[in-house]
Amino acid sequence: TAGITQAPTSQILAAGRSMTLRCTQDMRHNAMYWYRQDLGLGLRLIHYSNTAGTTGKGEVPDGYSVSRANTDDFPLTLASAVPSQTSVYFCASSPDRGAPGELFFGEGSRLTVL
Amino acid sequence: GENVEQHPSTLSVQEGDSAVIKCTYSDSASNYFPWYKQELGKGPQLIIDIRSNVGEKKDQRIAVTLNKTAKHFSLHITETQPEDSAVYFCAASMTGGFKTIFGAGTRLFVKA
Repeated sequence: TAGITQAPTSQILAAGRSMTLRCTQDMRHNAMYWYRQDLGLGLRLIHYSNTAGTTGKGEVPDGYSVSRANTDDFPLTLASAVPSQTSVYFCASSPDRGAPGELFFGEGSRLTVL
Repeated sequence: GENVEQHPSTLSVQEGDSAVIKCTYSDSASNYFPWYKQELGKGPQLIIDIRSNVGEKKDQRIAVTLNKTAKHFSLHITETQPEDSAVYFCAASMTGGFKTIFGAGTRLFVKA
């Protein structure tokens, strides 16, 4: 079972360049999320989508954008990368059937901005 | 918004001993409290969760307790084994909130 697939696994990016992290799920979950993980700060929510066609801002949305054109895909775009966006990025999904529940995470994308 | 604090940041125990990780949350509207385990190079995985209408939940060697009045919840691992070594995250969310807020994590070392 694939679950959540993220790509790329890791990437080195020059500051000022743009980058899209891809996320696909095969579980037909309604809600999808992007988190960044930094040492000592845990997982911080960047953006979320509770259903196809809608998105919302999380705790640390600045410098990132998302889209949710369909149920399965939830790409995260950095329009002009900065070194502070060096992090491990996790995509997640949940069924979200009217009550909060388990998040299913991908394996992560490690991004280094130089 | 919701804020979740987690302690300790690092915990080292001897195999067979118990481990306790504690979290506090700020928003009284939160009603779902999951715990995730993250192994090296992997994404977090749910190990146990508790909803606000329950005070305690057990699953084999793992238990979670919730004190809604004090806004505290804790993870208890008994008879620890080396494979319990990982990073553990607590989290909080609420119905209709669409945001799960995580604590900073606890790195657990179980020494054989």
